[in-house]
Amino acid sequence: GAGVSQSPSNKVTEKGKDVELRCDPISGHTALYWYRQSLGQGLEFLIYFQGNSAPDKSGLPSDRFSAERTGGSVSTLTIQRTQQEDSAVYLCASSLTMGGGNTEAFFGQGTRLTVV
Amino acid sequence: DAKTTQPNSMESNEEEPVHLPCNHSTISGTDYIHWYRQLPSQGPEYVIHGLTSNVNNRMASLAIAEDRKSSTLILHRATLRDAAVYYCILRDYSGAGSYQLTFGKGTKLSVIP
Repeated sequence: GAGVSQSPSNKVTEKGKDVELRCDPISGHTALYWYRQSLGQGLEFLIYFQGNSAPDKSGLPSDRFSAERTGGSVSTLTIQRTQQEDSAVYLCASSLTMGGGNTEAFFGQGTRLTVV
Repeated sequence: DAKTTQPNSMESNEEEPVHLPCNHSTISGTDYIHWYRQLPSQGPEYVIHGLTSNVNNRMASLAIAEDRKSSTLILHRATLRDAAVYYCILRDYSGAGSYQLTFGKGTKLSVIP
């Protein structure tokens, strides 16, 4: 596709279950970001991947959160033992290169996660 | 990323120009100034970015102060579709390999018909 694709678009899960959220970045984009946005709040950075470098995990809120990026393309964000406070929209973005600040990021439409 | 300051909200009449300000007094020489916007129930979308010179594209113009400590996003003719939260972000490469794109609270723009 032409843009960043995220799936599922909506996910309802029971408290304590694990969930996996998927992001397909734009082809050829080496940088990939995950953010989350709680209702009425701003975007909270979670994790960043750049090529084969070690990911920047500084934004992950707890060890229940993890992410991987296979083959430098598709990324999966996993939340284990979900809690109600994990309910939010999870957004993925990708960027063409890491060449300084002179690149723009493209966002997907997000996955709305509801933990009941 | 260095910090930016924006008004919480602004209003504009439809079909009139809108000037959205951003202060970034601690900007470094290698920071690019980026603007993104987020329409209701959508992911953010890129609007424009620049380094020192003013920039124009099909969506907007970016006016950068000579000392680079402030900038203004200009929408030449606001439409109802421009109602969104607008984020001003400084983007730099920090040598540790981290390339965060840090969002503040932004300015919520309301467009009045």
